[in-house]
Amino acid sequence: RKEVEQDPGPFNVPEGATVAFNCTYSNSASQSFFWYRQDCRKEPKLLMSVYSSGNEDGRFTAQLNRASQYISLLIRDSKLSDSATYLCVVNMGGGKLIFGQGTELSVKP
Amino acid sequence: GAVVSQHPSWVICKSGTSVKIECRSLDFQATTMFWYRQFPKQSLMLMATSNEGSKATYEQGVEKDKFLINHASLTLSTLTVTSAHPEDSSFYICSASPLGAEAFFGQGTRLTVV
Repeated sequence: RKEVEQDPGPFNVPEGATVAFNCTYSNSASQSFFWYRQDCRKEPKLLMSVYSSGNEDGRFTAQLNRASQYISLLIRDSKLSDSATYLCVVNMGGGKLIFGQGTELSVKP
Repeated sequence: GAVVSQHPSWVICKSGTSVKIECRSLDFQATTMFWYRQFPKQSLMLMATSNEGSKATYEQGVEKDKFLINHASLTLSTLTVTSAHPEDSSFYICSASPLGAEAFFGQGTRLTVV
């Protein structure tokens, strides 16, 4: 079993759609959680951290359920510029990150 | 935010030669840095943890004699791909975490071995 597993992609959605990504992790000792965005042939960029209380940043909402070891990301009112690969990332401590395989999102006009 | 600089951003080399990739933390000291590799359409895979002043810690399946890591100062880690072969062609990227939480990535190095 992979340490971090994500929804298989790609997700092809029209502009304005709401899209949800799911992720599970296997190591209960994982310390912190993130969603990163990666554009083609570029380094990953932090999208947002994920907290148990849930957190929102504009059109993006992230949730963490430690009991079920589940992380989610919701994108509302999708824009063309949201097209990218979204990476679920778990920090094992000290900056050591384990990445999910990524889910590709393509937002169409 | 913190800045991590990686160099070169791309390199083409002949099979059998060695390539050195540098990763620098520009505005913070990093006792630990991480090296990842990403093949096309795949996620980033952790290769090794670079520890300042001591030996790197390699992930299972990564050959330490092929991927030499040196972390001689608090702001510089280098990855040398020795005797490179076409199957080593990949996107190599480093990261460091000033406070042990959010990671900052270098720009990545696209290696092509011909």
